[in-house]
Amino acid sequence: IAGITQAPTSQILAAGRRMTLRCTQDMRHNAMYWYRQDLGLGLRLIHYSNTAGTTGKGEVPDGYSVSRANTDDFPLTLASAVPSQTSVYFCASSDEAGTGELFFGEGSRLTVL
Amino acid sequence: RKEVEQDPGPFNVPEGATVAFNCTYSNSASQSFFWYRQDCRKEPKLLMSVYSSGNEDGRFTAQLNRASQYISLLIRDSKLSDSATYLCVVNQGGSEKLVFGKGTKLTVNP
Repeated sequence: IAGITQAPTSQILAAGRRMTLRCTQDMRHNAMYWYRQDLGLGLRLIHYSNTAGTTGKGEVPDGYSVSRANTDDFPLTLASAVPSQTSVYFCASSDEAGTGELFFGEGSRLTVL
Repeated sequence: RKEVEQDPGPFNVPEGATVAFNCTYSNSASQSFFWYRQDCRKEPKLLMSVYSSGNEDGRFTAQLNRASQYISLLIRDSKLSDSATYLCVVNQGGSEKLVFGKGTKLTVNP
């Protein structure tokens, strides 16, 4: 049972490059989320999707975009990476939107130089 | 006042000790509450939900005080494996309103 799979696990990226972080879940959860975690700032919500076909902005959406074409996949795209986007990115899902019972992927560590 | 506040610690305790963490929240309309555990360089995992009546799971006890707007986590008989960061999570209603505290780091020493 995979749960949530994120890729890549880590990546070093030149500033200005485009990058897509992949997230796939096999639990048929309706809601999915992208968080970034930075030292001293905790987990902050970037974007979320309550159900396939819908997305919403979280606390720190600027510079990021998402899509939710189907239930399983929720990719996060950085159109033009900047050093301040260096962070650990976690994808999560929940059976129902708004519940606090989230299942997280193992994270993607991104470094933008 | 920040939405969800936790003492960052670190808490260093010996094995067998009892340790308690508090978390305060600012939005009185918050609907549900949780404690997550995050090991170093790992993803957060749900430890337990927090109910109004209080709840216990083995050595762990969680309590909610709505009047004072705080939740607590008590760990009895600490084990080395309890060493982790504990995150307080408050649901203010809706996917975009799930707020994480910054976490409290616990180290249990032999």
